[in-house]
Amino acid sequence: GAVVSQHPSRVICKSGTSVKIECRSLDFQATTMFWYRQFPKQSLMLMATSNEGSKATYEQGVEKDKFLINHASLTLSTLTVTSAHPEDSSFYICSAKKPGTGGYNEQFFGPGTRLTVL
Amino acid sequence: GESVGLHLPTLSVQEGDNSIINCAYSNSASDYFIWYKQESGKGPQFIIDIRSNMDKRQGQRVTVLLNKTVKHLSLQIAATQPGDSAVYFCAENTFKSSNYKLTFGKGTLLTVNP
Repeated sequence: GAVVSQHPSRVICKSGTSVKIECRSLDFQATTMFWYRQFPKQSLMLMATSNEGSKATYEQGVEKDKFLINHASLTLSTLTVTSAHPEDSSFYICSAKKPGTGGYNEQFFGPGTRLTVL
Repeated sequence: GESVGLHLPTLSVQEGDNSIINCAYSNSASDYFIWYKQESGKGPQFIIDIRSNMDKRQGQRVTVLLNKTVKHLSLQIAATQPGDSAVYFCAENTFKSSNYKLTFGKGTLLTVNP
């Protein structure tokens, strides 16, 4: 149980285009999902917290108009990178908070999406 | 500022040896800690967690120790196997801006030599 999937696993796009990444909790309902970005040989950096039915909370320094997050259902959150540029190339990872854990924020992670912007 | 850091960026061990990965944290309000394993090109995988009201927790071949006095966390892996080779991250849970969030450490690359 507690499987999180992401789609696509890899995407290559041209500079200036937009890319949508999907994150799904397959066997549980996730009221809270998280989006992280990871550059090579670095740690995971939280971009935003996505709560179902409400606006996402973005971390300091993350442009909300560039990284659009939609958590329209209890099993799906999407991240859209708008007007992508080469510096947006990174490994994007989503996670879903395990239900029923309250403040103990155990998260299940997706397999990640490798974005390359040419 | 608040941070989670690791003492050793790389660790190389022989198969069968025990491994110890260390982590320091600075936020005394953190109440929950998790160790994750990340293999190349994949998402983090949960290994073991510990709440702040505990100082030790054991799993299968893994043990996490928490020393709140010095804000130190460690992950011990017994009888390390080649399949344990990966980057290991500690993460601390804090409550900020009406949300719980995990802050990840820098990571330690564990290499197990056969």
